[in-house]
Amino acid sequence: SAVISQKPSRDICQRGTSLTIQCQVDSQVTMMFWYRQQPGQSLTLIATANQGSEATYESGFVIDKFPISRPNLTFSTLTVSNMSPEDSSIYLCSVGQITSSGANVLTFGAGSRLTVL
Amino acid sequence: QKEVEQNSGPLSVPEGAIASLNCTYSDRGSQSFFWYRQYSGKSPELIMSIYSNGDKEDGRFTAQLNKASQYVSLLIRDSQPSDSATYLCAVASYSSASKIIFGSGTRLSIRP
Repeated sequence: SAVISQKPSRDICQRGTSLTIQCQVDSQVTMMFWYRQQPGQSLTLIATANQGSEATYESGFVIDKFPISRPNLTFSTLTVSNMSPEDSSIYLCSVGQITSSGANVLTFGAGSRLTVL
Repeated sequence: QKEVEQNSGPLSVPEGAIASLNCTYSDRGSQSFFWYRQYSGKSPELIMSIYSNGDKEDGRFTAQLNKASQYVSLLIRDSQPSDSATYLCAVASYSSASKIIFGSGTRLSIRP
């Protein structure tokens, strides 16, 4: 499976600032996703990062707040804009790989733990 | 109704016993089902996938799927302390197979 490098691993940010998280994959992948995991909660899909076009956002997430770039098949960034304490969370990059059964199996990066003061 | 539901636990099981984790889902058209394990402070890792009704075994793990009842389960035989983790049930959306929806997870604790 793909090896995913994500950075920063953690950061403490001030309210109102923005932070960009980078995700690098060791092979070309078609599908890249960004998830959020709030403290004690499960994973919520933020968006699908599409190479060469705008990301596809899930309900409750908008491009102005979470702009995403996907310049090529191995790299993506997620920016958390104008942060508030409610944005304190773990943000996870993941890649999807299709199995012989046609299923999308996800592999996750180590995550970026953001704390907003 | 949540799309994927799990009991949050914690579920406490003695070492060597069978741990049984359950999950229900709302999208009747879903075709792919997964169990991820997440250790505290770590990212989720896939341990089982299942696509057809019935049982699928992999070592100490058995996944069970019943599409008519919209029910997925994970059995862990001969539970070990290293199995203590949160187990996330995940389901591929029928409308978009690439979209994976996660349950809230069941925290499992194996007591020596």
